[in-house]
Amino acid sequence: TQLLEQSPQFLSIQEGENLTVYCNSSSVFSSLQWYRQEPGEGPVLLVTVVTGGEVKKLKRLTFQFGDARKDSSLHITAAQPGDTGLYLCAGVLESNYQLIWGAGTKLIIKP
Amino acid sequence: DTAVSQTPKYLVTQMGNDKSIKCEQNLGHDTMYWYKQDSKKFLKIMFSYNNKELIINETVPNRFSPKSPDKAHLNLHINSLELGDSAVYFCASSLYRAPNTEAFFGQGTRLTVV
Repeated sequence: TQLLEQSPQFLSIQEGENLTVYCNSSSVFSSLQWYRQEPGEGPVLLVTVVTGGEVKKLKRLTFQFGDARKDSSLHITAAQPGDTGLYLCAGVLESNYQLIWGAGTKLIIKP
Repeated sequence: DTAVSQTPKYLVTQMGNDKSIKCEQNLGHDTMYWYKQDSKKFLKIMFSYNNKELIINETVPNRFSPKSPDKAHLNLHINSLELGDSAVYFCASSLYRAPNTEAFFGQGTRLTVV
């Protein structure tokens, strides 16, 4: 059973477009992280959100944690080819403090 | 300077062989991990060590045996390799053992069992 669902699984768009990827669950998380993984590399942390409703911005990337702490979204404005990669969310379950990972969203930004 | 380094980067071997993957971190972190990423890019934790002590041991075949000679090293030995073991294996480290602590990953070892 996949506790953390990411959508879409794959997204290919043109440079300059906006996009949103989602990380959803029926479970409550005490915190949630977003990582980006480039081909041939390991994941690199982008942000950690801990408070329901929290919004964090990292240049053109906006991260939001749901009010109920069951979901999160990543919005990219004016996407650039350098944003290409696999975006992974990982959440710490409030029930047992276990870290679980989503299956990732593969994002391709075409010049 | 490489923070988390693992070797080899690529490993092709035959079924039934025994192989090891080495990992070293120079960040001074207390906690180290081994992850497996399958062909669908799903990342799953296998083991976690904190100061050389095993703290997470997920359901993996006992053919996989981690060894931590000191807190900067965590090696993974795999016996009797099977086709299904083909995947990318990532070593990672974090400053603390708390699961929401930022993890720093190595570049991965792509294991192909033929």
